[in-house]
Amino acid sequence: DTAVSQTPKYLVTQMGNDKSIKCEQNLGHDTMYWYKQDSKKFLKIMFSYNNKELIINETVPNRFSPKSPDKAHLNLHINSLELGDSAVYFCASSLRDRGSVGEQYFGPGTRLTVT
Amino acid sequence: EDKVVQSPLSLVVHEGDTVTLNCSYEVTNFRSLLWYKQEKKAPTFLFMLTSSGIEKKSGRLSSILDKKELFSILNITATQTGDSAVYLCAVGKFSSNTGKLIFGQGTTLQVKP
Repeated sequence: DTAVSQTPKYLVTQMGNDKSIKCEQNLGHDTMYWYKQDSKKFLKIMFSYNNKELIINETVPNRFSPKSPDKAHLNLHINSLELGDSAVYFCASSLRDRGSVGEQYFGPGTRLTVT
Repeated sequence: EDKVVQSPLSLVVHEGDTVTLNCSYEVTNFRSLLWYKQEKKAPTFLFMLTSSGIEKKSGRLSSILDKKELFSILNITATQTGDSAVYLCAVGKFSSNTGKLIFGQGTTLQVKP
């Protein structure tokens, strides 16, 4: 009965490769997010989708491409991986409320190491 | 530019101590302030605050927001080793008809037996 799940949990790959991370939520939420957490624990939003529509696209290299096949899934594809992409990537979900910004539920994270 | 700053960055205490974690912010279109606890994996939600001066409490943890001075504190009384974690403060803002969270850099709390 996992709420927000991500696969894989760990990903080790070489520079220049292309990789994908998958996220699924079973909470019935309509909004999903990708965050990047660097080595200093700083958690920064990358993308957000609401009902399969991209609504937040922060200043992220276009090597990163999110895809949402339906509102319960949000995947992240990364092309031409670089050393600086090494981080923990968290998926999160919430209900979109136009009046406030409320609680988001986070997945367990994917630790990406680029060598 | 939006900013959320937490202090201290790290803290070491002994079991039974009381700690106060601080979060100050400069964020346009403020809507809410949230506290999360992050142990080894996913951040887990603690509190959401939207109104000044109203304390939220859950067991030994409590938090309050001051929207005039733009800060929040998280108090933990009678700390236990299980409280050891990174505590993240996030401010919810509205921009382009959608909301997002701006996180601080976290406070790492270590509680020694």
